[in-house]
Amino acid sequence: GENVEQHPSTLSVQEGDSAVIKCTYSDSASNYFPWYKQELGKRPQLIIDIRSNVGEKKDQRIAVTLNKTAKHFSLHITETQPEDSAVYFCAASRNSGYSTLTFGKGTMLLVSP
Amino acid sequence: NAGVTQTPKFQVLKTGQSMTLQCAQDMNHNSMYWYRQDPGMGLRLIYYSASEGTTDKGEVPNGYNVSRLNKREFSLRLESAAPSQTSVYFCASGALGEQYFGPGTRLTVT
Repeated sequence: GENVEQHPSTLSVQEGDSAVIKCTYSDSASNYFPWYKQELGKRPQLIIDIRSNVGEKKDQRIAVTLNKTAKHFSLHITETQPEDSAVYFCAASRNSGYSTLTFGKGTMLLVSP
Repeated sequence: NAGVTQTPKFQVLKTGQSMTLQCAQDMNHNSMYWYRQDPGMGLRLIYYSASEGTTDKGEVPNGYNVSRLNKREFSLRLESAAPSQTSVYFCASGALGEQYFGPGTRLTVT
């Protein structure tokens, strides 16, 4: 089955800096890669996703890049703010129908004022 | 729209007791999922239902059963709770790969 590795497990940055979280996956048939943000005590929320037919997607201060050859994808957050502090999860799935997601173990991002 | 709702929010059980976690969605999604979340382990899939009338095991199904009652509702049952089932349980629903989560149930088994 699919295996998703996520790094780093914790990341501390100063407000205004950029943050990058990286994930690798094992199943070359995976073609959908979402990112979730989970604040303390809350539910995971989908913040951005990318499908295998594109290499990059942006939404304001966040972007995701995908390298299918190397089987890795990354989340980039620019101009970080304290409210970006949360746990971020990457995931991968094989198809876009009823697909089951395989999650990475998460990255705790702390943005200090 | 309420999205995905779960009940209860919190529950404490003694070892051996049974209970059912309820989940409902109003987004007209075909697929529904149950996950557990433990510290340092991410989100692990327990069971899923690709469509009404079907259910399949995920990564960690032992000790659990599910029922897809109709398109809106998907319940998770613990027949004989064990301390290893202490966790936060999330239900999700989805379409085209995207999944949307409920607020979670924090379960403690003593």
